[in-house]
Amino acid sequence: GAGVSQSPSNKVTEKGKDVELRCDPISGHTALYWYRQSLGQGLEFLIYFQGNSAPDKSGLPSDRFSAERTGGSVSTLTIQRTQQEDSAVYLCASSPGVRGRRDTQYFGPGTRLTVL
Amino acid sequence: QKEVEQNSGPLSVPEGAIASLNCTYSDRGSQSFFWYRQYSGKSPELIMFIYSNGDKEDGRFTAQLNKASQYVSLLIRDSQPSDSATYLCAVNRNSGNTPLVFGKGTRLSVIA
Repeated sequence: GAGVSQSPSNKVTEKGKDVELRCDPISGHTALYWYRQSLGQGLEFLIYFQGNSAPDKSGLPSDRFSAERTGGSVSTLTIQRTQQEDSAVYLCASSPGVRGRRDTQYFGPGTRLTVL
Repeated sequence: QKEVEQNSGPLSVPEGAIASLNCTYSDRGSQSFFWYRQYSGKSPELIMFIYSNGDKEDGRFTAQLNKASQYVSLLIRDSQPSDSATYLCAVNRNSGNTPLVFGKGTRLSVIA
C-alpha cells in the first residue's frame, strides 16, 4: 500500500518568508509525527497528533512553528518568518496509533528546507 | 547525559562479516526499541523493533535488548555493501504511540 507522502520534496526560501510543508500519512494511521533532521544531528521531535486529541507541541522550537491536522489525516507544518537555522530535512511519520498497543512509526521521504 | 547514545563511527567491516551496532539509553523506564536504517539523502527505514529482553532475529538481522544494562544492539550477519548506511537507534518511553527519541546514528561501511 501507499506509504507516507510529503510535499514538496525540496523547498528553497528566503529568510523571513513563511513556508508550508505537507504530510499525508498512511491510510488508517491515527498518529502523526513531525521531526526534523539537521546536518550531522539526530532526529528532533517537533509535534505529535493522535486522533482528535490536542497535539503534543512540546518539541516545537519557537512560536514561529505551528502545525495542524485536518480531518484526522493530512497535516501541514507551517514555519513563519523563516531563519537560516530552520534549514533542515523535515520528516513526517505515521503509526497505527491504537491506544494500549505497541506502535511502530513509518517515515515519509522528507522535505529538505533551505533558507537563504 | 544524552538520552540515546550511539558511536558515530564509521564502523568498517569486510563483506561477509558480522557488523555489531550498539546503543545505550538513559531512561530506565523505556519500553520499546527500534532500529532504523538511513541511506544518504533518504529517510529512515524501519528494520527491527524489540520490546522484551533477549534476542529477536529477522533474516540477517538480530536485535538484542538488555534492559538491566540499558543497552540495545543490532547485529548484521553476512554484511553486504548494500548494508552501508547510517543506523539509527530509537527509544520509546512508553509502550504506546508517543514520539521516539533517536540517537545520532552509527555510520556503517561494508567493504567489498
